[in-house]
Amino acid sequence: KAGVTQTPRYLIKTRGQQVTLSCSPISGHRSVSWYQQTPGQGLQFLFEYFSETQRNKGNFPGRFSGRQFSNSRSEMNVSTLELGDSALYLCASSPDTGSYEQYFGPGTRLTVT
Amino acid sequence: SQQGEEDPQALSIQEGENATMNCSYKTSINNLQWYRQNSGRGLVHLILIRSNEREKHSGRLRVTLDTSKKSSSLLITASRAADTASYFCATDKGNNRLAFGKGNQVVVIP
Repeated sequence: KAGVTQTPRYLIKTRGQQVTLSCSPISGHRSVSWYQQTPGQGLQFLFEYFSETQRNKGNFPGRFSGRQFSNSRSEMNVSTLELGDSALYLCASSPDTGSYEQYFGPGTRLTVT
Repeated sequence: SQQGEEDPQALSIQEGENATMNCSYKTSINNLQWYRQNSGRGLVHLILIRSNEREKHSGRLRVTLDTSKKSSSLLITASRAADTASYFCATDKGNNRLAFGKGNQVVVIP
């Protein structure tokens, strides 16, 4: 099976702009989670989607949002970008929700200038 | 909120030696997982140990879990240069919301 794919791999945006990141999970996986990784805060959970519904949400401002489509593909959107949003954004999929290992994609490296 | 915390945070060893990393957490968990990350890339799942398990093996990896002490350890035996990476523990309450530790950087010198 193909692994988790994320597009784009690298992105440079300017403060105030918005950005959309995409994630395609492993075929058959219905749960998709997003994480932000920065040198200062480490890996932080953003949100999880399962069957097109947001099941969990981390402690991030409303500028961070996401959605999941009927084919389990997911997108996350960040509006009004700030310099502090520069990070590696990782998407992970798992077969179901709860007590499963997660399979991570290669990440999208976002740089905000 | 619970969060894994690894100790030590940086480890440099010779090829062939064993590497041990510890992780502590604060609240009850459903399972604890270990991941590896190479040079800022995606995380690779290594092993998952459930709260009712005490020890688990996978190849050269051995993970222990002590729920009474809220701690876990990851042992890599006979290390190789390819094991050079950052290692993270992550706790899961059973809702797919992983809480990661800060990571352990391991350098294996050939």
